[in-house]
Amino acid sequence: DTEVTQTPKHLVMGMTNKKSLKCEQHMGHRAMYWYKQKAKKPPELMFVYSYEKLSINESVPSRFSPECPNSSLLNLHLHALQPEDSALYLCASSQGQGANTEAFFGQGTRLTVV
Amino acid sequence: DAKTTQPTSMDCAEGRAANLPCNHSTISGNEYVYWYRQIHSQGPQYIIHGLKNNETNEMASLIITEDRKSSTLILPHATLRDTAVYYCIVRVVDNAGNMLTFGGGTRLMVKP
Repeated sequence: DTEVTQTPKHLVMGMTNKKSLKCEQHMGHRAMYWYKQKAKKPPELMFVYSYEKLSINESVPSRFSPECPNSSLLNLHLHALQPEDSALYLCASSQGQGANTEAFFGQGTRLTVV
Repeated sequence: DAKTTQPTSMDCAEGRAANLPCNHSTISGNEYVYWYRQIHSQGPQYIIHGLKNNETNEMASLIITEDRKSSTLILPHATLRDTAVYYCIVRVVDNAGNMLTFGGGTRLMVKP
């Protein structure tokens, strides 16, 4: 099983809403990532979790709040977003810390902020 | 991660080999070369990676020059389903952790 599952696939939310994106993997991977991708642009790294601890935050605004409740799950809590935050949000996972380990991506959540 | 340079777009005839170049002239000795592709509106898909030797798997071959400053991804018999954006990434693990940094990529169009 090399699958990273993201839910929901699509999400429309208002600027005052609170919502969460979910990501799950059962490959025993200990590194998990959130990326943001705007249309016609490459994915941009937001957060990295390593062994359930936040190891990298790429200066992401606090309206995005990641959480790693256990080694299989990664959440991204959203609050007071702006229309410019509309994008495809991608989750990925890889086995541990090594550079010689490929990352597997989910299919993403397409978020629209209205 | 070291910066990579790729052509913005390429065309390839169906059934022919697609050769996608990548320049990574500032690569360091402990940095791996990774290739991913992204088909429209889907998540990136891992293709292949290598350090200094050439690599081959069921999807593609990766040719890395001896000085490691450039590489070529080869899709031996391109099909219409190979139309995608192909990303060449140079990856290292540092004290901050483990991350993949995407560059602009090459938009490959396979034509009948």
